[in-house]
Amino acid sequence: DVKVTQSSRYLVKRTGEKVFLECVQDMDHENMFWYRQDPGLGLRLIYFSYDVKMKEKGYIPEGYSVSREKKERFSLILESASTNQTSMYLCASKFGGTIWNQPQHFGDGTRLSIL
Amino acid sequence: DAKTTQPPSMDCAEGRAANLPCNHSTISGNEYVYWYRQIHSQGPQYIIHGLKNNETNEMASLIITEDRKSSTLILPHATLRDTAVYYCIVRSSRMTTDSWGKFQFGAGTQVVVTP
Repeated sequence: DVKVTQSSRYLVKRTGEKVFLECVQDMDHENMFWYRQDPGLGLRLIYFSYDVKMKEKGYIPEGYSVSREKKERFSLILESASTNQTSMYLCASKFGGTIWNQPQHFGDGTRLSIL
Repeated sequence: DAKTTQPPSMDCAEGRAANLPCNHSTISGNEYVYWYRQIHSQGPQYIIHGLKNNETNEMASLIITEDRKSSTLILPHATLRDTAVYYCIVRSSRMTTDSWGKFQFGAGTQVVVTP
């Protein structure tokens, strides 16, 4: 079974802090994704990576950056946390590079609160 | 990607089959149907996907109508652990700049399995 592991289930940080969310997958997937999930808004894509050191902006990249130095690990960085970044953050990975019918597999999420 | 319509909720008795409908009348020829579910406070879990043929795996069966405008997810023997929000998603396998990483979840169907 595919395993996508997010480093923390719950996290509380303060406004202005630099926050790191880590995600590791164990299936040698080329593609990895970061989403945030908010009530009434569904999942919204923040950034994705189709290979090591490659990244693309999603629909709401402002205030975030990402890092993919190794194939199995994809990090989301909140450069200067703000209260409107309080949310559930979900990491996902998928196999297949340019074969887009392969399903994405999600981690259990990090519930981040910014005070 | 085509829009999908699902009933907001449905109940199912434990041990019975649960049939979850999804309408996707604007689906195009290269779009796949995916089903995910999300149990409270967990990340979305992939269930099954298909293009035009019926599909079955260890979790569920997917029945797609011949015109592909609707589909049904079947949980053959529902258990209490199947209580979750179920999402039907239609997305393209084509590689376009706009579709990189696009994966929009709608409101889904809240399924409650009762003893």
